[in-house]
Amino acid sequence: KQEVTQIPAALSVPEGENLVLNCSFTDSAIYNLQWFRQDPGKGLTSLLLIQSSQREQTSGRLNASLDKSSGRSTLYIAASQPGDSATYLCAVRQGSRLTFGEGTQLTVNP
Amino acid sequence: DAGVIQSPRHEVTEMGQEVTLRCKPISGHDYLFWYRQTMMRGLELLIYFNNNVPIDDSGMPEDRFSAKMPNASFSTLKIQPSEPRDSAVYFCASSLAGAGNTIYFGEGSWLTVV
Repeated sequence: KQEVTQIPAALSVPEGENLVLNCSFTDSAIYNLQWFRQDPGKGLTSLLLIQSSQREQTSGRLNASLDKSSGRSTLYIAASQPGDSATYLCAVRQGSRLTFGEGTQLTVNP
Repeated sequence: DAGVIQSPRHEVTEMGQEVTLRCKPISGHDYLFWYRQTMMRGLELLIYFNNNVPIDDSGMPEDRFSAKMPNASFSTLKIQPSEPRDSAVYFCASSLAGAGNTIYFGEGSWLTVV
């Protein structure tokens, strides 16, 4: 059974800092890995999707990497802003099933 | 496209009552998923459909839960009878087939059973 772990569970940083969120998974036979953002009281918004054959994806200040063999992914956020405050979830897809980590709650302080 | 649309957004009901949650997936998407989110268990897949056919319902917690997809643009998740431990946020999501396709989530239905 696939297990997805995210570290840290919570992170508080000052505005402008670069930061890294970590995600690990136990079964490397995945189709893709997605990073989502969830704001309080809202649904999940997809940030980046990395296919199993890819190493990284970038969107604006976000960069996600994937090392499938070691079962790890990182989400790098450059020059963090208070608007980045949210919970970030990673999820791995096997077949049609998506398994989520518990999330990292990020707070960016002005 | 308006995205995945769920209703109701919030519902408070008494224990024992029937609850029906509704979902309209993104037009043209082949897959529809129902997830439940709680503080204790995080996000759990309850059931998913491919081309309106239920494929995997192993996540449905009990016989009190049922889901249907009568057509490509509508799905329901029903709880009968509801219990306080069913209180959670229920998300519907949809996607196209293929490993490179993003799964899109609705805003969720916030259910409280008292």
